[in-house]
Amino acid sequence: QVQLVQSGAEVKKPGASVKVSCKASGYTFTGYFIHWVRQAPGQGLEWMGRINPSIGGTNYAPKFQGRVTMTRDTSISTAYMELSRLTSDDTAVYYCARHPLGYWGQGTLVTVSS
Amino acid sequence: DIQMTQSPPSLSASVGDRVTITCQASQDISNHLNWYQQKPGKAPKLLIYDASSLEAGVPSRFSGGGSGTDFTFTITSLQPEDVATYFCQNYYNLPFAFGPGTKVDI
Repeated sequence: QVQLVQSGAEVKKPGASVKVSCKASGYTFTGYFIHWVRQAPGQGLEWMGRINPSIGGTNYAPKFQGRVTMTRDTSISTAYMELSRLTSDDTAVYYCARHPLGYWGQGTLVTVSS
Repeated sequence: DIQMTQSPPSLSASVGDRVTITCQASQDISNHLNWYQQKPGKAPKLLIYDASSLEAGVPSRFSGGGSGTDFTFTITSLQPEDVATYFCQNYYNLPFAFGPGTKVDI
């Protein structure tokens, strides 16, 4: 069965970077885009971008352009999302999801606090 | 960028009621619309794709319709387990924006 398992919760200081991983299993990793979506406490869903695991091509939402980097390691079927220059506004649960977003990871809470 | 709006922001209904949520896109997105259900502390769950296609395993009381810029999501007979927030999402044009959500209570 398709599974996406994300890395654990992180606490970061303002200005730091965070890298969240998403390990896929149960399907051909290179066959489907991986999307990243975040949700701040009590807020809605925010699409951050996607990566094509086959070629590594990415598309980022304008809001995150220049601050987010999505990568993948096909040898271990894992996608990564790195967000830099963190502020308190980046405190959120970060999800990975397999296109067409029918399968989601469990979410990773990233807390940014001094 | 395409903007997505939803109405109402929240609603309260009784068990067995018919509930309808609307979603509007700022430009034509054909039928490239998903609907999700999210319960507190859980990841979103895909219910409807391509505006009106029911995801496998999703109860038939959920349905979707519309195309272009105007879409609807309906629960024909609201059940206690349907208490959740529902989101629409455009996947026609990047960025694949979500609507702000509709919170459904009983």
